[in-house]
Amino acid sequence: QVQLQESGPGLVKPSETLSLTCTVSGDSISSYYWSWIRQPPGKGLEWIGYIYNSRSTNSNPSLKSRVTLSVDTSKNQFSLKLSSVTAADTAVYYCARDVGAAIGIFDIWGQGTMVTVSS
Amino acid sequence: DIQMTQSPSSLSASVGDRVTITCRASQSISIYLNWYQQIPEKAPKLLIYAASSLQSGVPSRFSGSGSGTDFTLTISSLQPEDLATYYCQQSYSPPFTFGQGTRLEIK
Repeated sequence: QVQLQESGPGLVKPSETLSLTCTVSGDSISSYYWSWIRQPPGKGLEWIGYIYNSRSTNSNPSLKSRVTLSVDTSKNQFSLKLSSVTAADTAVYYCARDVGAAIGIFDIWGQGTMVTVSS
Repeated sequence: DIQMTQSPSSLSASVGDRVTITCRASQSISIYLNWYQQIPEKAPKLLIYAASSLQSGVPSRFSGSGSGTDFTLTISSLQPEDLATYYCQQSYSPPFTFGQGTRLEIK
């Protein structure tokens, strides 16, 4: 059974860099596309970006210049860095697996981690 | 970006009712449309992909239809555990975008 678990600081100061890691268990990280998706409190879902085997990445143009995605195959983890954060980046951040047959269908999600941007 | 618009934003229905939620894309997305269910305080769950394919393990009372710009999620007989917010999402092209959500309440 594939499981995803997000980890990282729950509080980040404005202008600093938000760093999150998603640990994948039950499957090889090399076999799928992996995405980050976020949800501000009381609001809808926003796709942040995906990564595949460190060779292919794509991120939302609304965030692109601030987003860095990476994979550590030795640890079966992938990571998100979001720079120059503001209060608007306060959200629950989810990692998710693309179903594999096509990009952009998210069949397995982590439980989510709340990140608050505040001084 | 492709804009996804759901209607209604919220609805209230009784157990056993047939419930329909619609989703419209700002341009044609063929059948690259997925539906998710988000129970309060939980991560979203994939219900339907490619407009009408039922994800493994999802009850058969859920169904999806449509192509192009107009899509529908139907719950044939509403159950108490269906209390949730439902999102459509296009996977036609990045950035993958979601509808604003439809909050479903049980009368």
